[in-house]
Amino acid sequence: AQSVTQLGSHVSVSEGALVLLRCNYSSSVPPYLFWYVQYPNQGLQLLLKYTTGATLVKGINGFEAEFKKSETSFHLTKPSAHMSDAAEYFCAVSGSQGGKLIFGQGTELSVKP
Amino acid sequence: AAGVIQSPRHLIKEKRETATLKCYPIPRHDTVYWYQQGPGQDPQFLISFYEKMQSDKGSIPDRFSAQQFSDYHSELNMSSLELGDSALYFCASSPPPSGGSQETQYFGPGTRLLVL
Repeated sequence: AQSVTQLGSHVSVSEGALVLLRCNYSSSVPPYLFWYVQYPNQGLQLLLKYTTGATLVKGINGFEAEFKKSETSFHLTKPSAHMSDAAEYFCAVSGSQGGKLIFGQGTELSVKP
Repeated sequence: AAGVIQSPRHLIKEKRETATLKCYPIPRHDTVYWYQQGPGQDPQFLISFYEKMQSDKGSIPDRFSAQQFSDYHSELNMSSLELGDSALYFCASSPPPSGGSQETQYFGPGTRLLVL
């Protein structure tokens, strides 16, 4: 069985500050991990993913995440927040070779001027 | 680049009515997934199809059925609609193993269903 826990349903940062969104997973098989972003009234857009290989993955819009097996974590970071980063962020897990995504509860990111 | 197309984008129905949601995957993608996202909730997996066969099933009510057609588009049929079915329904598609990145799902914009 697989599950995802996102710590913090709402995170608020100032523009230019570091963004850190936390994600922990549970998986009985080697996981594939994803971060998706959802803007209001829109679909889910893939930010980045980890499958195998390098544990630090870079995504779009300056985001990156590090897979830490020992901590079962896949936290999302961005060095400097921009107003346009305000959105809902979902961490998700699937088994290797793909398959259904199991999503976390989501974290709403607010960016203050 | 072509994206996943869903229609309609918005749908209003009365209780006990039926609804059909359509999904057109990215060209050459052979796997389709359906998810339901209730208000303020995370997306929940409903059902998936690979090469026109059901490949996995999640928390899909018996009142719902789905299929994938020969052109790979998929339809989600919902009958005896209930108020609780009001949600955003996403379709996602992924490429075949030979196409690489089979694990990556590309989401459509969703169909917002409101049941009154």
